[in-house]
Amino acid sequence: AQKITQTQPGMFVQEKEAVTLDCTYDTSDPSYGLFWYKQPSSGEMIFLIYQGSYDQQNATEGRYSLNFQKARKSANLVISASQLGDSAMYFCAMRVIQGAQKLVFGQGTRLTINP
Amino acid sequence: EAQVTQNPRYLITVTGKKLTVTCSQNMNHEYMSWYRQDPGLGLRQIYYSMNVEVTDKGDVPEGYKVSRKEKRNFPLILESPSPNQTSLYFCASSLAGGHYEQYFGPGTRLTVT
Repeated sequence: AQKITQTQPGMFVQEKEAVTLDCTYDTSDPSYGLFWYKQPSSGEMIFLIYQGSYDQQNATEGRYSLNFQKARKSANLVISASQLGDSAMYFCAMRVIQGAQKLVFGQGTRLTINP
Repeated sequence: EAQVTQNPRYLITVTGKKLTVTCSQNMNHEYMSWYRQDPGLGLRQIYYSMNVEVTDKGDVPEGYKVSRKEKRNFPLILESPSPNQTSLYFCASSLAGGHYEQYFGPGTRLTVT
């Protein structure tokens, strides 16, 4: 079975600072994808970044980067130069390649950016 | 515009009154799925579909039904809703395969009294 653990229920960061949101995962499948989604207060789920289990390099998308440490089974999201609009709930998720191909989500981290 | 649509966005109903939440996607995706989101539990998969006429249970299927008669549509049916089905529901779609992101609909907030 797959499991995602996000150990930070809430985080408070000053605007323009970098922030790291932690995510660890557990799976016995060798092939999987790791995703981060953002959920603002309006409720929609916004895809941020993806990392494949066989990718050699860490994924980056604008201000978002994923610090992928396969041996430690961690996939932390790094947001550089945080903005007020980054305040939201952030979910780490894993999707296995075979079978149900479902997304397994962590419980989320609520990020608040202070001016 | 590529999107997943859900209707209704908000619904308050009473115990036992059958309801359907519609989901439609315009991206020709094979894979579609329903999730529910509850505080402290994150999102959990209810049902999924790999393609037309192919559906299967997710982690929390009890009390729900789905159908996939057309590729673009994947309705969620609650035949006899109960208060414990009060939740935020998301429909999602993607290309088949675990490397692809799932695109989410805007969500349906359901309250069962």
